[in-house]
Amino acid sequence: SQTIHQWPATLVQPVGSPLSLECTVEGTSNPNLYWYRQAAGRGLQLLFYSVGIGQISSEVPQNLSASRPQDRQFILSSKKLLLSDSGFYLCAWSVPPGGRGGYTFGSGTRLTVV
Amino acid sequence: SQQGEEDPQALSIQEGENATMNCSYKTSINNLQWYRQNSGRGLVHLILIRSNEREKHSGRLRVTLDTSKKSSSLLITASRAADTASYFCATDFGNDMRFGAGTRLTVKP
Repeated sequence: SQTIHQWPATLVQPVGSPLSLECTVEGTSNPNLYWYRQAAGRGLQLLFYSVGIGQISSEVPQNLSASRPQDRQFILSSKKLLLSDSGFYLCAWSVPPGGRGGYTFGSGTRLTVV
Repeated sequence: SQQGEEDPQALSIQEGENATMNCSYKTSINNLQWYRQNSGRGLVHLILIRSNEREKHSGRLRVTLDTSKKSSSLLITASRAADTASYFCATDFGNDMRFGAGTRLTVKP
């Protein structure tokens, strides 16, 4: 069966510290992968998406970066966190093209930068 | 940037009543999807309607799509307290989907 794992579930980090959030997918090959951020009580903001290994598209220029070192692994990183990086981060995958079969989301990571 | 916009932002009803949420979007689409999010959790895909479809049903869910008005509606019939959640519409946008800000539905027992 197809599953998506996202960790950690919660994270509290000081300003200026690095960040690494990992997402892995099982049970599918060549998925499109996505990182979204959701501010409290708000909609989802697309941060990055990837259609293949090493292929990253950035939607919002900011303090974050993403990498896809393996087909089913997607990593969100930052070298120095800002207070404004706090939020709920969601990883998702879909079968190409363009999520026409629906997205499957991970359970999310609640990041608080203090 | 957001593509879909849900209306209303918040909706509170009694158990057993129907809940209707609306979504408007700006550009032409191939499909529109509705998702549900329980507080602090990931989104769960509910239903997908293609641009050449006008209505789709799934259990107590009914989705309509009017491409001429660039709008969609989600109807939840005979609501239950467990339906309390945020509901988002999403439209395809190139290689990804764009989500609205959501409607927060509260169903009171």
